[in-house]
Amino acid sequence: AQSVSQHNHHVILSEAASLELGCNYSYGGTVNLFWYVQYPGQHLQLLLKYFSGDPLVKGIKGFEAEFIKSKFSFNLRKPSVQWSDTAEYFCAVNDKGGGNKLTFGTGTQLKVEL
Amino acid sequence: SQTIHQWPATLVQPVGSPLSLECTVEGTSNPNLYWYRQAAGRGLQLLFYSVGIGQISSEVPQNLSASRPQDRQFILSSKKLLLSDSGFYLCAWSVARSYEQYFGPGTRLTVT
Repeated sequence: AQSVSQHNHHVILSEAASLELGCNYSYGGTVNLFWYVQYPGQHLQLLLKYFSGDPLVKGIKGFEAEFIKSKFSFNLRKPSVQWSDTAEYFCAVNDKGGGNKLTFGTGTQLKVEL
Repeated sequence: SQTIHQWPATLVQPVGSPLSLECTVEGTSNPNLYWYRQAAGRGLQLLFYSVGIGQISSEVPQNLSASRPQDRQFILSSKKLLLSDSGFYLCAWSVARSYEQYFGPGTRLTVT
């Protein structure tokens, strides 16, 4: 089965600092990759996704992620974080088998300080 | 547009009591439906998924069950709750053959 690793469990940054959150997956076939975000008190929502094509994908709120097939990675980046980016971030990858299932990482809690 | 509802938002139940959590989706037909449990530091664990009415696949053997009595309704149940069933339960849907999932607001279950 697919597995997803998010190595940074808690990240604290100051406003305007750059952000990079790591995501590595195990299955080497065709992948669909996602980053979801959960702001305090809100639904889990899609931040960005990669299905095919340009490996550098851009999402909402200035986030981007780069798919590096050789490294089985899909790291999330933002050049300058804001206090409002404080949230929990989850990486997800499609799983094998039926049901169009996703496997999620354990999440990274990001806190941005003023 | 599509919306997903879950209720109740919070629930406190004693050990041994039954459970029924409901999820409904509006604005789409024949969605795939999913139940997850989210635990702090452990991400989202897929519990059940369904690709159609009456079709339920279980991912993790446990004290819970799921049913899909209607196309856009997904129910998570238990006959007797355990303390370990406490957690945050999320329902999600996707268009058939798509991996992109959309999540509901969740239910916080506390078993006492």
